[in-house]
Amino acid sequence: DIQMTQSPSSLSASVGDRVTITCRASQGINTALGWYQQRPGKAPKRLIHDAFHLQSGVPSRFSGSGSGTEFTLTISSLQPEDFATYYCLQHVTYPWTFGQGTEVES
Amino acid sequence: QLVESGGDLVQPGESLRLSCAATGFTFNFHWMTWVRQAPGRGLEWVATLNQDGSERYYVDSVKGRFTISRDNAQNSLYLHMNSLTAEDTAVYYCGRNGGSIDSWGQGTLVTVSS
Repeated sequence: DIQMTQSPSSLSASVGDRVTITCRASQGINTALGWYQQRPGKAPKRLIHDAFHLQSGVPSRFSGSGSGTEFTLTISSLQPEDFATYYCLQHVTYPWTFGQGTEVES
Repeated sequence: QLVESGGDLVQPGESLRLSCAATGFTFNFHWMTWVRQAPGRGLEWVATLNQDGSERYYVDSVKGRFTISRDNAQNSLYLHMNSLTAEDTAVYYCGRNGGSIDSWGQGTLVTVSS
């Protein structure tokens, strides 16, 4: 199985900060990676697909980069509604695997 | 839109069937997936099914106990769960595949407890 190691597990940030979250895959997954945002009590929402493609309707302050084993989600200027938990998901092979999550808190 | 139903409180060893009703898109064009989230924990992929139901994939922890299925005439996805244990307690989400999961339901809670 492919292990997805996400870091950090949590971070403290303020409105306007630049935030970076990393996912490392235990083996190469090309660009078969999505990034998701989950607010408390809500379903996840996809932000980025195929490593760096912005999901339609998602603000441009979110961006993704990387390929192979190293991936990054960046929020260029954190907004109040961005305080949430973020997950990566690899879908190159079954079983699909999520990162452990990164909680972005104030 | 995806709307899950069927979650309930059940005892260990019992069975349950979850349903996911799909509207607003051509259901039989898409692979579909179930993902779960135990209380206070992260997301866990559970199972994926192709458009005609001929290809199924499961996480090891549910193989032999859970069955994913679909009824394209009813635009519905199902998860049949047998021999439930406390470790299956979670919110279960259905998702539409567009590469990874591009659309999610609101989830349905399954609690396994005596």
